[in-house]
Amino acid sequence: GENVEQHPSTLSVQEGDSAVIKCTYSDSASNYFPWYKQELGKGPQLIIDIRSNVGEKKDQRIAVTLNKTAKHFSLHITETQPEDSAVYFCAATRRGGAQKLVFGQGTRLTINP
Amino acid sequence: DVKVTQSSRYLVKRTGEKVFLECVQDMDHENMFWYRQDPGLGLRLIYFSYDVKMKEKGDIPEGYSVSREKKERFSLILESASTNQTSMYLCATTKGQATYEQYFGPGTRLTVT
Repeated sequence: GENVEQHPSTLSVQEGDSAVIKCTYSDSASNYFPWYKQELGKGPQLIIDIRSNVGEKKDQRIAVTLNKTAKHFSLHITETQPEDSAVYFCAATRRGGAQKLVFGQGTRLTINP
Repeated sequence: DVKVTQSSRYLVKRTGEKVFLECVQDMDHENMFWYRQDPGLGLRLIYFSYDVKMKEKGDIPEGYSVSREKKERFSLILESASTNQTSMYLCATTKGQATYEQYFGPGTRLTVT
């Protein structure tokens, strides 16, 4: 079945440095790739997404890149701040419509002051 | 703002009990989802509903059932709770056709003893 692999599972960076989280997906029909951020005690919240006809998208300090040939996409956070500490999930659309997603395993990002 | 609420933040039940988890949304969204979140496994889809009284199994439906009698409410039912169903349960919604952003509730942490 469809699968999304996410790495690393934990990531610790110094405040101000950059963080990169990578995902690979298995279904070549996937055409939408969101990233969700889950803060402690809350549900995940969409922070950025990219569609398959675009290679890169940026929103202030966060960016996502997509390589459809290799079937992988990445989240880049620059100038990290303490409030970036959270669990991040990547996802990809799956067959069957109804906006169903398959999620990666999650990355716990810790920003050290 | 979309609001997705879940009936309980924390729940402790005994093995064999029937458990109801409730999810309510206030934005007239068509689709509703139930996920369970476990460390290292990400979010796994249990069931989803694309309309009132309509439901479809996700990846891990065994031991669960759902009910959607009204558009705004989606219930997850554990027919006979078992210890391996101890987990965080997340409800999510999407608006409908051609929109993919999922809005999550805060989650219910269920412990089965």
